[in-house]
This record gives sequence, structure tokens and C-alpha cells, in this order.
Amino acid sequence: AQSVAQPEDQVNVAEGNPLTVKCTYSVSGNPYLFWYVQYPNRGLQFLLKYITGDNLVKGSYGFEAEFNKSQTSFHLKKPSALVSDSALYFCAVRLRERYSSASKIIFGSGTRLSIRP
Amino acid sequence: DGGITQSPKYLFRKEGQNVTLSCEQNLNHDAMYWYRQDPGQGLRLIYYSQIVNDFQKGDIAEGYSVSREKKESFPLTVTSAQKNPTAFYLCASSPMGMNTEAFFGQGTRLTVV
Repeated sequence: AQSVAQPEDQVNVAEGNPLTVKCTYSVSGNPYLFWYVQYPNRGLQFLLKYITGDNLVKGSYGFEAEFNKSQTSFHLKKPSALVSDSALYFCAVRLRERYSSASKIIFGSGTRLSIRP
Repeated sequence: DGGITQSPKYLFRKEGQNVTLSCEQNLNHDAMYWYRQDPGQGLRLIYYSQIVNDFQKGDIAEGYSVSREKKESFPLTVTSAQKNPTAFYLCASSPMGMNTEAFFGQGTRLTVV
């Protein structure tokens, strides 16, 4: 089955250190991958996406993600973490329906990022 | 202001009652989605719609129903057949196309007592 996985429930990082939030995918064909962030009791906010082209994608708030086709991964990264980056992060993939132009977005289980001062 | 509006933010219902969650968007997006969020389980797709008067079941459609009579609106009804309806419900919309991201509302927290 086509899916996206986030292997870590929680990531803890000290402020100022680099951070990585992991995501792997299983998709037939070219993957369309997204990262979102969620703050408590709020909707999701879009961070960045990979469609095609450069494997390193830059997004909002200083985040970037590296697409690796051989490892089927799309890890989210930031060179220097801030306390305000503490939130829930979701990786997602858009899947095309068979025999139609329709598509849906499915999400990983989420990773809680905690940045300590 | 452009965006997606979900109402109400908090909703309480007695067990056995149907309840309808509202989702309206003024982004002129063709596609709309409903997700359910439970602690530790991420977002699970309930229903989605690409065009007016057409919608598809997601992974957990049982006990839910939707309608798409207008492009701007995609209400979700949680029926009494849904075994465990207490959850955080998120509505989203996007343009058509594989390369488009979704925009989310602020969510409705439903508590069934």
C-alpha cells in the first residue's frame, strides 16, 4: 500500500543545534511530498514541498528538506533550532486515484519536536 | 480575508445524536477534504471531494456523511453510527493538481458525552 511514515514520535534538540525530522515514503511513480507544522489546537500550516527538480527544498521559517530517491526519504531539517520551532510536524504525500484525475493527501503519524533552551 | 472557516471551534453532543460540522472556503479551490485527528495517530482521511456533487470515501468513512452542493462548502455529518466520535476534525482545501498543497481550517473539537 502507498504510504508515508514518520519513525520518530518525538525529537528533542537543544536550541541552536541542527534538527532533523525523518520521513520515508512508499509510492508508485513520482512522489509529491509535503511537510506541515501544527501548533496546539490549530490547523496545519504548509512548510514546503517536493515536486521535481533539486533534491534540497527550502521552505518557511528557515526549514529545508532533502529528497533522497534511493532511500525513499524526505527528511525535514533546520541548521539552528529555535524554541519557537517546538510543535507537531507532519509529512504527507499526494496520491493519484486510479483511472481519474482525482488525488488525495495522506499524512504520516506526526513527530513532536521539542526544543529546549 | 481569504481562507477556510470551520465552525464551531468546540462542539458538545450527547451520544446517539447526529452532528454537522461546517467548513467554508473562499479560496476558489476545487478540492476539499475532511480529516480526523486523534492523539498519536496523525491525520486520517474521512472524505474528500474534487468537484461539486461528487465525493469519495477516505480511509475511515464509516459513520460519517458529507455533501458538496456548493464549491465553497463541504459539511461533515457525524452520525450516531460512528462508534467513537470524540476527536479533533480538520477541514482542508486545495486547487486541483498533484503539485498543490492543502490549506487547513482551525479545526473543530467534538466531544460526545
